Amino acid sequence: KAGVTQTPRYLIKTRGQQVTLSCSPISGHRSVSWYQQTPGQGLQFLFEYFSETQRNKGNFPGRFSGRQFSNSRSEMNVSTLELGDSALYLCASSLGQLSSGNTIYFGEGSWLTVV
Amino acid sequence: QKEVEQDPGPLSVPEGAIVSLNCTYSNSAFQYFMWYRQYSRKGPELLMYTYSSGNKEDGRFTAQVDKSSKYISLFIRDSQPSDSATYLCAMSAGWTGGFKTIFGAGTRLFVKA
Repeated sequence: KAGVTQTPRYLIKTRGQQVTLSCSPISGHRSVSWYQQTPGQGLQFLFEYFSETQRNKGNFPGRFSGRQFSNSRSEMNVSTLELGDSALYLCASSLGQLSSGNTIYFGEGSWLTVV
Repeated sequence: QKEVEQDPGPLSVPEGAIVSLNCTYSNSAFQYFMWYRQYSRKGPELLMYTYSSGNKEDGRFTAQVDKSSKYISLFIRDSQPSDSATYLCAMSAGWTGGFKTIFGAGTRLFVKA
């Protein structure tokens, strides 16, 4: 069974640009959540999508947004990139919503460097 | 004070040693407790998942949750060089605004052959 797939794996962007990251969940999983991981702040929750609706949101500015499609695939967008957005962005999928105690399975992540 | 505290290490042990990794937390609402292993430049991999207090064993790994002390532990028996990784604790709870999962900072473990 294929795991969570994230693309692209590595990318470099310039300050002020915007970026879109893609995530394909494990087959049959309907919840997709996104996380940012940095050496300074660790792993932080961005948001969760379930049935194409955002169900939970972490404490990040509005520049961070996402969406989920009918096939459960998800995209995350960061606009007006700042140097501090350089991080590993992780997508995780679960069978049901996080609030039901479903365990999450992470992808390999997308390494974003903002210069 | 952070909601979840985890010693970042690094922790260096010889092969075959018993490793003890710990996290403390402040929010008594946490109900679900997880341990993840993350190798360098990879995504976290779920190792153990526990609901509420108690022990759970899986092979060389044992997870303990003590809700009264707000303390969770992961024990690794007969540690191997392949166990060298960063170990993240995580805990989740529902609240009126939704649901949240908080991760510890991660402990870097080195197992020397």
